[in-house]
Amino acid sequence: GAGVSQSPSNKVTEKGKDVELRCDPISGHTALYWYRQSLGQGLEFLIYFQGNSAPDKSGLPSDRFSAERTGGSVSTLTIQRTQQEDSAVYLCASSSGAGGAEQYFGPGTRLTVT
Amino acid sequence: SQQGEEDPQALSIQEGENATMNCSYKTSINNLQWYRQNSGRGLVHLILIRSNEREKHSGRLRVTLDTSKKSSSLLITASRAADTASYFCATVYGGSQGNLIFGKGTKLSVKP
Repeated sequence: GAGVSQSPSNKVTEKGKDVELRCDPISGHTALYWYRQSLGQGLEFLIYFQGNSAPDKSGLPSDRFSAERTGGSVSTLTIQRTQQEDSAVYLCASSSGAGGAEQYFGPGTRLTVT
Repeated sequence: SQQGEEDPQALSIQEGENATMNCSYKTSINNLQWYRQNSGRGLVHLILIRSNEREKHSGRLRVTLDTSKKSSSLLITASRAADTASYFCATVYGGSQGNLIFGKGTKLSVKP
């Protein structure tokens, strides 16, 4: 079966522009997570969706970051007014079990803000 | 920060040798997981150990967990060049929604 997919695989944008990153989780997985990986900060949790519950946004670094998950499936992470420190690889993961189960990661989107 | 720490940061061994990586964390956990990452992308889940377990095996992998010391170790036996990757421990903290808190990783290089 298909794994987690993300698009685009690479994105170069100018400082101040908005970007949207997309994640298609494994079909049937109710939990979806966004993380980002950068040289300075390592792997950081951003946001978590579980079914129809309100998302856990506790990891979002600023109000320029938002995410939505439509129909319990595809998710979009939006970064407004991008800054150079937003440059990182953004990883999406999905999971079938309750919180704490193993997670299946997508290949990531490498975002470069110039 | 809740982030855990792995050591060593880098490890270089010959094929056939065993590799041991250690991870420490800071607060009580539900479970601890190990992931592998090749070439800076593609995290792959390796093994999950629950807080009430002390040891777990999967193929050439052996994981131990010591909750009194808040530490875990990953042993890869009879290493292969294909095991070259970065290895991360990740914890699920008690009361969390299941999001993973990752350590900084150990970069393993296995030379043929």
